[in-house]
Amino acid sequence: AQTVTQSQPEMSVQEAETVTLSCTYDTSESDYYLFWYKQPPSRQMILVIRQEAYKQQNATENRFSVNFQKAAKSFSLKISDSQLGDAAMYFCAFLYSGGGADGLTFGKGTHLIIQP
Amino acid sequence: DTAVSQTPKYLVTQMGNDKSIKCEQNLGHDTMYWYKQDSKKFLKIMFSYNNKELIINETVPNRFSPKSPDKAHLNLHINSLELGDSAVYFCASSHARREQFFGPGTRLTVL
Repeated sequence: AQTVTQSQPEMSVQEAETVTLSCTYDTSESDYYLFWYKQPPSRQMILVIRQEAYKQQNATENRFSVNFQKAAKSFSLKISDSQLGDAAMYFCAFLYSGGGADGLTFGKGTHLIIQP
Repeated sequence: DTAVSQTPKYLVTQMGNDKSIKCEQNLGHDTMYWYKQDSKKFLKIMFSYNNKELIINETVPNRFSPKSPDKAHLNLHINSLELGDSAVYFCASSHARREQFFGPGTRLTVL
């Protein structure tokens, strides 16, 4: 079974600054996906970014980028030019890409506060 | 157009009752899921289902049962509700084991 650990229950950053959220995971699989999801107060789960384990290049989506270190089993999310709308819970998630219909394994989340 | 929808968004009921939450996706996805988010915001998979198999998380009580009338729907039935069932329940869908898209969630409160 895999586990996902987010060691920062809460982070705070000034608007327009950069913040990095940490995520580590443990798995014996070699083929998998990693995701970051955002959950604002509206409680909607929004996909922020996705990374395939076989890709060495780090994924980026506008102001969001990841630092994927497969050997270290680390998958951090960097948010550049933080905006008030980025305030939310952020969840790191793992998905085994093999057969079956397994669900996502989530970390416990990081509450991100944006200081104006 | 709403990609993954759930009804109702809020559900308040008494202990011992039976209730259902409906989920529909219009994305043409082949797999649907139910997740439970507890009061500490922790998300855990309950069920995943495609047209070939149902995978049940072993920690889910058998009072919970998913029912899929067709590929676009996966409803969640809960019998004999207990206080500990109070949570937010999310439906999600995906295609070919790629990223999952979530519904808006249903906040269930058991009194």
